[in-house]
Amino acid sequence: GAGVSQSPSNKVTEKGKDVELRCDPISGHTALYWYRQSLGQGLEFLIYFQGNSAPDKSGLPSDRFSAERTGGSVSTLTIQRTQQEDSAVYLCASSPSRIYQPQHFGDGTRLSIL
Amino acid sequence: SQQGEEDPQALSIQEGENATMNCSYKTSINNLQWYRQNSGRGLVHLILIRSNEREKHSGRLRVTLDTSKKSSSLLITASRAADTASYFCATAPWGGTSYGKLTFGQGTILTVHP
Repeated sequence: GAGVSQSPSNKVTEKGKDVELRCDPISGHTALYWYRQSLGQGLEFLIYFQGNSAPDKSGLPSDRFSAERTGGSVSTLTIQRTQQEDSAVYLCASSPSRIYQPQHFGDGTRLSIL
Repeated sequence: SQQGEEDPQALSIQEGENATMNCSYKTSINNLQWYRQNSGRGLVHLILIRSNEREKHSGRLRVTLDTSKKSSSLLITASRAADTASYFCATAPWGGTSYGKLTFGQGTILTVHP
């Protein structure tokens, strides 16, 4: 079946603009995760959804970052008033309902802030 | 923040040789996972080892886990040029609302020369 799909694959925007990143998880996967990958910080957890609820949003770096998930499926990560330090690859992953399962990753959105 | 430290940071070998990568972590875990990432792509799950397991095999992969030393190793036998990638260990915590949250190491860049 189809894997995790992320869009856009690349996004270039000016500092101060808002951006939305989209993730379509594998069908039937109830858990969804967002991570950020940058040269300086490596791979960092941002937020985790179980269904439409976010039990753990501890990794969101500031209140400029928010995420939602609707219908237990698609998720959107929104960054407001982007800063240059937001430049990174944003990765989405999903896993089946049972806990402690491997996560399936999309190819990410490469975000560049000019 | 990164929980895992991986060693070495980079490894260069010839096809047919074995590759060993090590990972250390700091806190109590439920399981440890290894992922591979090809350049410009998302992460691919390789193997999951639970905290009550000591060794696990999958094809040419062998993973060990020593919870007393808080360390793990990944061995790739008879390496191929196609194994060239970055390899990451990731730990999953026990219980609570964060059980889905993976904490990644910095990764080992493996280059296999034909």
